Amino acid sequence: QVHLVESGGGVVHPGRSLRLSCAASGFTFSSYGLHWVRQAPGKGLEWVAVISDDGSDEYYADSVKGRFTVSRDNSKNTLYLQMNSLRPDDAAVYFCAKPKSATPLGFLIDSWGQGTLVTVSS
Amino acid sequence: DIVMTQSPDSLAVSLGERATINCKSSRTVLSSSNSKNYLAWYQQKPGQPPKLLISWASIRESGVPDRVSGSGSGTDFTLTISSLQTEDVAVYYCQQYYGSPLTFGGGTKVEIK
Repeated sequence: QVHLVESGGGVVHPGRSLRLSCAASGFTFSSYGLHWVRQAPGKGLEWVAVISDDGSDEYYADSVKGRFTVSRDNSKNTLYLQMNSLRPDDAAVYFCAKPKSATPLGFLIDSWGQGTLVTVSS
Repeated sequence: DIVMTQSPDSLAVSLGERATINCKSSRTVLSSSNSKNYLAWYQQKPGQPPKLLISWASIRESGVPDRVSGSGSGTDFTLTISSLQTEDVAVYYCQQYYGSPLTFGGGTKVEIK
């Protein structure tokens, strides 16, 4: 059974940094590209980033490009999102998400964590 | 980027009646190489992550009741709940996975009338 558990959220001042983690279990972690998707309070879903199975490829939404970095540690079955220069409009629940197929960059997501809340406020 | 536009933003349907949600993409999500539509539908209930209902525009996920169906091709898609039940109250999102960036529709809130 796939299990994705995000952590690292909290309250942060604008301009500061935060690193999110996603601990994964129940599947062969190193065989899947993995995503971050966020949802601002009361709003819709926004894709943030994806990293390939071996960490060699990364893609980002324009809204976070140059400020956020996705990474992974396949020895620890953990996905990360380093968020720098945070802005109020980055406030959201951040979900890590796994695609249905074990491909380097799978885009059909079928498993989600419960999310971790990031609040950006002075 | 492919822009996904859903309509309506919300709808209220009586129990047992049909609910229909529309989704339009700004360009085709139909692949010419495999004739598949890269379109998914998700259901999200309050305080929960999204749940995948439909992939490839019309393929129901395991465990999804057959009153839920997806249709359409190219740029126009529909999610239909043929007989609304209380457990169907949720927000529904369409999403294209044709390529990066993945994009979602704005969501449709379904309630009981």
